[in-house]
This record gives sequence, structure tokens and C-alpha cells, in this order.
Amino acid sequence: KNQVEQSPQSLIILEGKNCTLQCNYTVSPFSNLRWYKQDTGRGPVSLTIMTFSENTKSNGRYTATLDADTKQSSLHITASQLSDSASYICVVGPPLNDYKLSFGAGTTVTVRA
Amino acid sequence: EADIYQTPRYLVIGTGKKITLECSQTMGHDKMYWYQQDPGMELHLIHYSYGVNSTEKGDLSSESTVSRIRTEHFPLTLESARPSHTSQYLCASSDGQGIDEQYFGPGTRLTVT
Repeated sequence: KNQVEQSPQSLIILEGKNCTLQCNYTVSPFSNLRWYKQDTGRGPVSLTIMTFSENTKSNGRYTATLDADTKQSSLHITASQLSDSASYICVVGPPLNDYKLSFGAGTTVTVRA
Repeated sequence: EADIYQTPRYLVIGTGKKITLECSQTMGHDKMYWYQQDPGMELHLIHYSYGVNSTEKGDLSSESTVSRIRTEHFPLTLESARPSHTSQYLCASSDGQGIDEQYFGPGTRLTVT
């Protein structure tokens, strides 16, 4: 069973609307949580990286939150644009052996005009 | 945009052929990684390297092999391709400092017929 679960699996939103993606994880211990954006046919690109002591981090219209007590994170997209259509991947990193990143399967977001 | 490159971007090849997927980075990163990703699924680490002449297998068993003769170059080889090797292969690198963020290449989409 994957230790990083994302929901929903996919969603469709209208341009200009907001949406929130969820990430629940069981990885323990962990030192950081990352959100990546992956366009179709491309490699993932980092959006935010939060350490376990951070609660929120923003990158433009993207805002990530982290609740280390409940092991939940969310990614909020504000005023969506067509270019936001992509897969958004939640990744949990342990304190040591950074190569052992735990990846979620991603949420596919489609923004329609 | 990260300075990490992969060639070819797309490859269709017959069963039994030997193939090499190229990955190079110009950031001087010591750590490099190969991931395998199937549609709608999470990334799985298949190989990683912490520096020249250092290679290790990742969490997902793979019939591929890698080499690290130069810091900037981390090729992946399949001696005899099979249809089960059909997948997306992503290369990444990181500098091993602090949170050790990984930067991904654009990927190689491999199809074995």
C-alpha cells in the first residue's frame, strides 16, 4: 500500500475557479513534504517544499499547507489558468537517506475555458 | 528550468534490442537518480548514484543497469528490451545540500513492441 495517498484522483475546473488537492501520508519519520507539478510528457517541477515545522508555503497562485500531527497536506490553486492543467504530485522526504522519497500517484487537474 | 537533459525523448524499439537512455546535467550535482513511472502511477526509484563510480539499486527491481563515469552523465542501459519495459523513465539530480531538492529531466517515453 502506498504510504502517500492523494485525492481526488482527477478533477475538472473552470478557468478562474479555485481548487484544493489533498495528500494524506503515513511515512514516519519525515523531514519535508514537497508538491510537484508535472505537465503531460514532462518531468516534475517543484512547486513548494515544506519542512515538518512549517504550516504553509506559497508560490504565486499555489499555496501548500501541512499538518504534521494529522499527516495531511493540501495544495490550493487560486484563480486557475489553462496552464495549470497538469498532474500534481505530493512527495514525502525522510530525515535521512533522501533518495527514499515517497511519491503519491498524483491528482490530474484539467482546467477548462 | 533545471539544466538536466534526457535523450531520446521518445523511443519505440523491438523486443530483444539493447538500448541506452542518456541523462546529463550541467549543475555539478553529485547525486543522480533514475525513476520509472507508469501512467497514473507514482514514481519508483530504480537506480541512484552519490558520485562518480557510485551506483546503487533503488526500491523497484529493474533489469536495467547504470554507470557513473563522469559527474554530469548517468546513462541507463537495457541489454535486451522486453514489452514489460515499456514505461516513462525520468532522470533527476540533486546537490546533496540542505533539503536536497531533486531536479527532474523531461523524461524518455520507451515503448517496446
